[in-house]
Amino acid sequence: DAKTTQPPSMDCAEGRAANLPCNHSTISGNEYVYWYRQIHSQGPQYIIHGLKNNETNEMASLIITEDRKSSTLILPHATLRDTAVYYCIVSPRQTSGSRLTFGEGTQLTVNP
Amino acid sequence: SQTIHQWPATLVQPVGSPLSLECTVEGTSNPNLYWYRQAAGRGLQLLFYSVGIGQISSEVPQNLSASRPQDRQFILSSKKLLLSDSGFYLCAWSHGESYEQYFGPGTRLTVT
Repeated sequence: DAKTTQPPSMDCAEGRAANLPCNHSTISGNEYVYWYRQIHSQGPQYIIHGLKNNETNEMASLIITEDRKSSTLILPHATLRDTAVYYCIVSPRQTSGSRLTFGEGTQLTVNP
Repeated sequence: SQTIHQWPATLVQPVGSPLSLECTVEGTSNPNLYWYRQAAGRGLQLLFYSVGIGQISSEVPQNLSASRPQDRQFILSSKKLLLSDSGFYLCAWSHGESYEQYFGPGTRLTVT
């Protein structure tokens, strides 16, 4: 699976948009970009995924560059409950179970 | 709806003692099951995954083992714990080609 690079930490003011970057310059054509987050002492939670088009759901938006070498997760109106470690993962879609490799992620702190 | 259970929530064990952590999933059948470990302040490491009863794949060689005696039950074991086995153990499940993995609440293991 391709490697991802994320900043170790970011801060965001409550109510503002949080933009979390991820570099995945070695991504291959069949690999998807997944985002999960982990609130302290809990299991990770799936947020969103995409292949090459931008995606949006009730939690976030995912913007993938045209060359697919980087992406940005956007939380449009961050709240204190969005404080968590955010993981960007690149992996092909598995035919029998998805084996995801979690890196160090980005610690997002939303400040009041 | 589907739920995933793990127990115990916390565990303190001496070096050299055995280990058995249990994970069960409710509300679905034939799930893919995973065991991850997270060392303090680090990302998640996939230890084992299973696509069916009795089918276990190991991602990292170590003194841990996994078993799947029933469709929705996944057990992580060790005959003799090491100090380095301390960490946060997370069980997860996914279904078929689903992009999402759903994580349990985790077990925090401290080996003393």
